Amino acid sequence: DTGVSQDPRHKITKRGQNVTFRCDPISEHNRLYWYRQTLGQGPEFLTYFQNEAQLEKSRLLSDRFSAERPKGSFSTLEIQRTEQGDSAMYLCASRGLIPGLTASTDTQYFGPGTRLTVL
Amino acid sequence: GQSLEQPSEVTAVEGAIVQINCTYQTSGFYGLSWYQQHDGGAPTFLSYNGLDGLEETGRFSSFLSRSDSYGYLLLQELQMKDSASYFCAVNNGQNFVFGPGTRLSVLP
Repeated sequence: DTGVSQDPRHKITKRGQNVTFRCDPISEHNRLYWYRQTLGQGPEFLTYFQNEAQLEKSRLLSDRFSAERPKGSFSTLEIQRTEQGDSAMYLCASRGLIPGLTASTDTQYFGPGTRLTVL
Repeated sequence: GQSLEQPSEVTAVEGAIVQINCTYQTSGFYGLSWYQQHDGGAPTFLSYNGLDGLEETGRFSSFLSRSDSYGYLLLQELQMKDSASYFCAVNNGQNFVFGPGTRLSVLP
C-alpha cells in the first residue's frame, strides 16, 4: 500500500455513459498525476496538478476528459460519452518526498488504479 | 517527439544477473526512473538517476549516461518474485514519459 487510494477499483459501463474516478494522494504531496495504461504498454501521461492548479494536459486528452483537484487534495477524472477505446487502467500518482524513505523528488507513488471497461 | 526504447522481453534463471537497457529521446531531461509492475498491480518505484553514474539500492542498481541518452537497470541474485514488467521513465521537465516496458521472466 503506497498511501494513494483510488475509487472505484473497477468500472464497467456502456458506451455513451459518463464515468468519474477519484484519487486520494499522499497528504504531504502537492503534485498529482493521472495516467492511462493499456495492456502491454507503459503508463501514458494524461494530466498533472500542482496543488489545485492543472499545469499540464496531454494532447491525447480529448474534450471528453476533464480532471479537477478543487482543494488541492483529492482529484477526480471524468470521462464523458465513453467510447470502447477508453477501456484501460487509469492510474493516479502523487509525487514528492517522504522523509527518511524517499530517494528523490522524482519518486511517484501510484495508486492501485481504476480498471474501466466500456461495453 | 518523446520516445523511450526498452527490450520487450528478458528471460533469466534464479540467482543470475540481468540488465535491462533503456534509451531515450525527449525534449528535456531531468532524470531517469525505474518502476516495477507485477501483473494486475500498480507500478512501484525502484530507482532514480539524476546524474551520470551508478546508483545502488540493495539487489537493484541503475546507471545513467546523459551523453549517450542511455540507462540501465541491473538486477542481481534474481528471485522468482522479480518476474514482472519493468519500466524506465524520463522526467522531461513537464511530465513523465514512460517506456513500453520490459517483461522479465525468472525461471527456476
